[in-house]
Amino acid sequence: DAEITQSPRHKITETGRQVTLACHQTWNHNNMFWYRQDLGHGLRLIHYSYGVQDTNKGEVSDGYSVSRSNTEDLPLTLESAASSQTSVYFCASSESVRASLTGELFFGEGSRLTVL
Amino acid sequence: SQQGEEDPQALSIQEGENATMNCSYKTSINNLQWYRQNSGRGLVHLILIRSNEREKHSGRLRVTLDTSKKSSSLLITASRAADTASYFCATDRTGANSKLTFGKGITLSVRP
Repeated sequence: DAEITQSPRHKITETGRQVTLACHQTWNHNNMFWYRQDLGHGLRLIHYSYGVQDTNKGEVSDGYSVSRSNTEDLPLTLESAASSQTSVYFCASSESVRASLTGELFFGEGSRLTVL
Repeated sequence: SQQGEEDPQALSIQEGENATMNCSYKTSINNLQWYRQNSGRGLVHLILIRSNEREKHSGRLRVTLDTSKKSSSLLITASRAADTASYFCATDRTGANSKLTFGKGITLSVRP
């Protein structure tokens, strides 16, 4: 069965360290997204990609970067982790419907990151 | 800024009762989707309603959409303890090009 997996599921790191969260999907979806979920804020979009070599900034992209070298993976990198980046991170993917229409998102199980 | 705003923020009902959750949004949309999140898990898609649809059913779920009021409701009939979860509405805004904007969610507790 197709799936989307995130790793690690839990990570504790120190301020200033570089952290990479992995996301791998076997749906063969062109669209991939990273969200963060915080109490009181719901889900906020960090970065997204419509295909290989394509990356775009979401509403809370400062301090984060992504790269898309193949269809299956969209790793999220925190260049220099800050305590404000303590959160639960979700990766999601979707099919490319026509550009004016969004299909359902398939989510990973989340990565809980704590920055001390 | 959040596009979808769910109401109420929390809802507690008895098993067997119906649960109604509301979502309001601000700009024109292509479709609106509802997701469920069990504690500690990822979000799971429940139902999608397009802007030209007014009502949609899926099992015990009924979703309505009123584009003139920019609002949607999710009704879960004959609730079960397993329906305990957080529920999110997500809007596909016109021109947003495949990006969904999520609300803050509603916490539903179904008491056995």
